[in-house]
Amino acid sequence: SQQGEEDPQALSIQEGENATMNCSYKTSINNLQWYRQNSGRGLVHLILIRSNEREKHSGRLRVTLDTSKKSSSLLITASRAADTASYFCATDARSGGGADGLTFGKGTHLIIQP
Amino acid sequence: DSGVTQTPKHLITATGQRVTLRCSPRSGDLSVYWYQQSLDQGLQFLIQYYNGEERAKGNILERFSAQQFPDLHSELNLSSLELGDSALYFCASSVSLLGNENTEAFFGQGTRLTVV
Repeated sequence: SQQGEEDPQALSIQEGENATMNCSYKTSINNLQWYRQNSGRGLVHLILIRSNEREKHSGRLRVTLDTSKKSSSLLITASRAADTASYFCATDARSGGGADGLTFGKGTHLIIQP
Repeated sequence: DSGVTQTPKHLITATGQRVTLRCSPRSGDLSVYWYQQSLDQGLQFLIQYYNGEERAKGNILERFSAQQFPDLHSELNLSSLELGDSALYFCASSVSLLGNENTEAFFGQGTRLTVV
């Protein structure tokens, strides 16, 4: 079953604009991670935010986490054509042993138009 | 380059056949995870190994099995293949168990399996 659900499913914006993607999840988590996937290729880790953090930055990326609402957002500022990809949130649920792997949402497909 | 190597990159086989997918984790990573990605199901966690032992099972069919060897590489065996098994199969590795520490997973480029 899907733990995280990204919204929107697809997003198309002009180069230079900001892109915001949202993720909702269902159970308590240790942390939430965002990954990027270029078409048909492997996933690349972007950023990890711990359950006790509310906001984190990495370059042009800003991630927020609201554990009370079980939601997170990923903001990409000053988008570039190379940012075109699918973006996934992933959670590792709190459970004994922490051995449940990462649970991914279905992703947001982001298209940056030049 | 994530440091995770998967072979083969592409595999085309007939229904009813058996295939083996191979994964070499990043140097030093003890955990290996297998995922299946298809258009309708998205990314599904299949199974996890840690230092040679199975640690967790996800949505893995009984026709599928996996193992992690002493050198930490892992193999995913898919048998009695059906058309619906066509998907991208990813291997990921991490230095420790996800959930115990705030660690990230590093993904390979995947094996694209087509069952005809």
